[in-house]
Amino acid sequence: GAGVSQSPRYKVAKRGQDVALRCDPISGHVSLFWYQQALGQGPEFLTYFQNEAQLDKSGLPSDRFFAERPEGSVSTLKIQRTQQEDSAVYLCASSPYTKPLYGYTFGSGTRLTVV
Amino acid sequence: DQQVKQNSPSLSVQEGRISILNCDYTNSMFDYFLWYKKYPAEGPTFLISISSIKDKNEDGRFTVFLNKSAKHLSLHIVPSQPGDSAVYFCAARPGAGNMLTFGGGTRLMVKP
Repeated sequence: GAGVSQSPRYKVAKRGQDVALRCDPISGHVSLFWYQQALGQGPEFLTYFQNEAQLDKSGLPSDRFFAERPEGSVSTLKIQRTQQEDSAVYLCASSPYTKPLYGYTFGSGTRLTVV
Repeated sequence: DQQVKQNSPSLSVQEGRISILNCDYTNSMFDYFLWYKKYPAEGPTFLISISSIKDKNEDGRFTVFLNKSAKHLSLHIVPSQPGDSAVYFCAARPGAGNMLTFGGGTRLMVKP
C-alpha cells in the first residue's frame, strides 16, 4: 500500500485481556517506530526497529508490552494483561532511512480502550 | 519532566492572518526539530523541519524559526486558511538518536 497501515482501527479489551496490534509499514522502509498517544497529549516513544532488530525499547512502560518485527516488515505490538492506563492511541511510523533526517510517515493508529 | 512543551493548548486565528505556534525545549542535545499536523482520526503528518545549524526554514506558507539560545522554536503560517485547522505538534530529536520527543500539541482553529 501507499501508506502505513494499522489494524485494527479500534479495539476494546476487558481488563486483563491480551491484545495484539499490527503495523504494515511502507514497503522497503527500514526503520519502524511505535508511539503511544494518550488523550490530549503528544505521542510518546515506545520502541524502534531497524529491519528485524529491535534497537531501542526504552519507552516500553512495563514488561507487559512486547514488540516484534520478525521479517523486517510487518510489526506487532502485544500488550499482556491490559490495564485501564493502557487506553490510548497506538501509532506506528516508518522511514526509509536508518537515521531519519526527515519526518517519519505515521499510520492512522489503533485506538485501544480497556474497560 | 517534559522536554518539549507547547504552552498554548489552543489558538484561534482569522482566515488570511498569521498563525504563530510556539514550542520550548529543555534538552540541549536536541539538534533536529520538526512540526507535525494532525487531523482527527488520522496519524500525524510531517509538515516542516529545521536543523540546529539553521535559524529559519521556509516552505511555502510555512516557516519555522529556531532560537537555540532561548531553546525556543515557532511555526508561522501565512496566510492562514480554514484547512489549516488541526492539532500541531512540535517534536525534537537528538543528533545521536532516532527517537522523537513530542510536545503536547496546539489546536489551531482558522475561522473563515
